[in-house]
Amino acid sequence: QKEVEQNSGPLSVPEGAIASLNCTYSDRGSQSFFWYRQYSGKSPELIMSIYSNGDKEDGRFTAQLNKASQYVSLLIRDSQPSDSATYLCAVTLYTGNQFYFGTGTSLTVIP
Amino acid sequence: DTGVSQNPRHKITKRGQNVTFRCDPISEHNRLYWYRQTLGQGPEFLTYFQNEAQLEKSRLLSDRFSAERPKGSFSTLEIQRTEQGDSAMYLCASSWELGGNTIYFGEGSWLTVV
Repeated sequence: QKEVEQNSGPLSVPEGAIASLNCTYSDRGSQSFFWYRQYSGKSPELIMSIYSNGDKEDGRFTAQLNKASQYVSLLIRDSQPSDSATYLCAVTLYTGNQFYFGTGTSLTVIP
Repeated sequence: DTGVSQNPRHKITKRGQNVTFRCDPISEHNRLYWYRQTLGQGPEFLTYFQNEAQLEKSRLLSDRFSAERPKGSFSTLEIQRTEQGDSAMYLCASSWELGGNTIYFGEGSWLTVV
């Protein structure tokens, strides 16, 4: 049973548009939620973490969490070609234990 | 301050050989993780240390895989009798127990088994 599910994409958006990336998780005990960006051939780098229901904004990025629906999303405003990458959603059940990753959504921002 | 450091970055080995990867975490981090990632997949958890204690191991970590963190600092991941299916990127990550549970990845070690 997959813990974390993401649409693999590819998702294409024009430069300057909003990119919306979605993630669902299966375990209601999930407590911490993360978005990582991974460029081809590179390791994942942290974009944002979110722990409570609602929105969390950091620059052009907004993470949204809805625990009742077991859903977490990432919005990227004013998308840039440099945002073209695979975005990985990750959840943990409780502090310190393993992170469960989705398979990632490939995003392409078209100039 | 350097981030998580892994070496070697790339390793090509013949099937049946043993390989060892090393990970040096961020200096103040006491938690260390090993993940494996293949093309088109997300990272898969292998094992986790808190200080020198190995607290969790995935079922993915067969008897051919062993990880150590002898002094609670750097860690090694050894794969014995490599198989072609072991070809992947091996990722190390670390975190600080009291700094939230965000993990930070190293650059990864690519293994190709021929």
